[in-house]
Amino acid sequence: DAKTTQPPSMDCAEGRAANLPCNHSTISGNEYVYWYRQIHSQGPQYIIHGLKNNETNEMASLIITEDRKSSTLILPHATLRDTAVYYCIVTLLRGSNYKLTFGKGTLLTVNP
Amino acid sequence: DTAVSQTPKYLVTQMGNDKSIKCEQNLGHDTMYWYKQDSKKFLKIMFSYNNKELIINETVPNRFSPKSPDKAHLNLHINSLELGDSAVYFCASSPEPGLGGTQYFGPGTRLLVL
Repeated sequence: DAKTTQPPSMDCAEGRAANLPCNHSTISGNEYVYWYRQIHSQGPQYIIHGLKNNETNEMASLIITEDRKSSTLILPHATLRDTAVYYCIVTLLRGSNYKLTFGKGTLLTVNP
Repeated sequence: DTAVSQTPKYLVTQMGNDKSIKCEQNLGHDTMYWYKQDSKKFLKIMFSYNNKELIINETVPNRFSPKSPDKAHLNLHINSLELGDSAVYFCASSPEPGLGGTQYFGPGTRLLVL
């Protein structure tokens, strides 16, 4: 079972920031928060990951609360091509029996 | 160049047939995976290989047999296809061993069993 909780859907206006929340209240100290997305009919795409510090890359920013029980993925200027299902996943960085468990994710719809 | 590629993209076949799906990655990764995404869109791991060796088999029927001729390729052979095998199958690779971490997915193979 997925160890995260996400809203099933969200809307965002094109050009605005999209803030996608994720709750992971049972996260353990050595588990990372990963974000992937799946654009319709494509394979999942890695976005970003973090342990406890905020992270930023060319695609998005990841804000993790100090208690690590929740996080927010921020797409600073959403475009129509960002419409996708976004998955928040808690996992170890490496480990033979620790798998990526994809839940239902959040369907983000970016509107013109 | 495509990092993780799969062939074929679409596969329509009759129940009882045997079919194979091929996967190749040019990222130099040691670990490769097969996932199944069913009609309800849940994505589940099936197999993981590290450097041509099977790491995990997630209670997949033995009609499914992965084969890794080298660490850049992980093929999936399915015997005696059943209606319930209809799904999208994704191959992925990772620079890290094990099942977690950053994975790079292929475009998927859409299998329809009639």
